[in-house]
Amino acid sequence: DTAVSQTPKYLVTQMGNDKSIKCEQNLGHDTMYWYKQDSKKFLKIMFSYNNKELIINETVPNRFSPKSPDKAHLNLHINSLELGDSAVYFCASSQNVGNEQFFGPGTRLTVL
Amino acid sequence: GESVGLHLPTLSVQEGDNSIINCAYSNSASDYFIWYKQESGKGPQFIIDIRSNMDKRQGQRVTVLLNKTVKHLSLQIAATQPGDSAVYFCAENRYTGNQFYFGTGTSLTVIP
Repeated sequence: DTAVSQTPKYLVTQMGNDKSIKCEQNLGHDTMYWYKQDSKKFLKIMFSYNNKELIINETVPNRFSPKSPDKAHLNLHINSLELGDSAVYFCASSQNVGNEQFFGPGTRLTVL
Repeated sequence: GESVGLHLPTLSVQEGDNSIINCAYSNSASDYFIWYKQESGKGPQFIIDIRSNMDKRQGQRVTVLLNKTVKHLSLQIAATQPGDSAVYFCAENRYTGNQFYFGTGTSLTVIP
């Protein structure tokens, strides 16, 4: 009965590989997000989707491509992984844009 | 660029004492603020929020103060407990973008 879930929790991969992180929310929220948290704990928004449509796309390399098959899911696909992509990625959701966000447990990505 | 910053990256307090975590923001257009708590290995969790038409809001053992004149936000935790040990983030919502910008975080350690 987890509100916002992410899989996998840990992801270790080689440079150049392509990987995906999945996110699902069962809160009935309209808006979902992806954040990147670096080693210094700085949280930066990457993408925001409202009703399956992209509304925010911060300065993120186009190797990162979010996909929202429905309102409850927002997956993150990363192509050609680089060392600098190593971080913890958090999915979040909110009732609507600008409301309190509920975060998932995070996915720790390590690129070797 | 504009940022949400914190005055102190780390804070240690004795169990039972009160804690004060500070946050400076630079965008006077921000109209909604949230404090989040992030425990080790978990995603951020909502603690308390405040809108720009208020200067104080109280929750259970927590109080948020907003000083719009100097663009300063603080989180006060009364009778700090070991379970309060975490990283605390302030996040500001900038009306024009309707997205939240997170500060760098303050790591609170409670000494038993």
